[in-house]
Amino acid sequence: RKEVEQDPGPFNVPEGATVAFNCTYSNSASQSFFWYRQDCRKEPKLLMSVYSSGNEDGRFTAQLNRASQYISLLIRDSKLSDSATYLCVVNDDDYKLSFGAGTTVTVRA
Amino acid sequence: EPEVTQTPSHQVTQMGQEVILRCVPISNHLYFYWYRQILGQKVEFLVSFYNNEISEKSEIFDDQFSVERPDGSNFTLKIRSTKLEDSAMYFCASRDGRNSYNEQFFGPGTRLTVL
Repeated sequence: RKEVEQDPGPFNVPEGATVAFNCTYSNSASQSFFWYRQDCRKEPKLLMSVYSSGNEDGRFTAQLNRASQYISLLIRDSKLSDSATYLCVVNDDDYKLSFGAGTTVTVRA
Repeated sequence: EPEVTQTPSHQVTQMGQEVILRCVPISNHLYFYWYRQILGQKVEFLVSFYNNEISEKSEIFDDQFSVERPDGSNFTLKIRSTKLEDSAMYFCASRDGRNSYNEQFFGPGTRLTVL
């Protein structure tokens, strides 16, 4: 069964801290990988795509390990506004996204 | 910035009634999707639509569900006879599809409550 598994959290961190969490996916043929962010009762919004070489977008760094079928997200210098649920998302083919259940991050003042 | 819109934002219905959820995808996008999220659970794929036909559907998308693109702008999800377990957030998404960039843009969702 194709699945995307995530650290559920919650991760409760102080402002300025670094937080990192992981995701594994079961389908070795998966083509594209993303981190989406979801705020309470809102739609998922793309945070960043994840590339094989790893990529960084400001305070966010994503890593992909295809051999281990493992994706990670690291947030540096956490802000209060980073509090959200982070969804690991895998694109198996052109037609659908498979979502993990999400990792909840709470940044406290 | 173009965005996906959905109406209504909240729909309350009685069990057994038909509902139609409406979406306006981003103009010029070619691929359209419906997802649902039951409260406290993960987002689940329902159906994808391309070139005026269903491309793929999940096991959730049974005969009670149908999709339609009645004109050049709207994309609808119909549930013929709602069940209590259909209560969820329903998200529409669209994707350009004409380049290698695969981002799907999500609408704000319709919260469906079946009583």
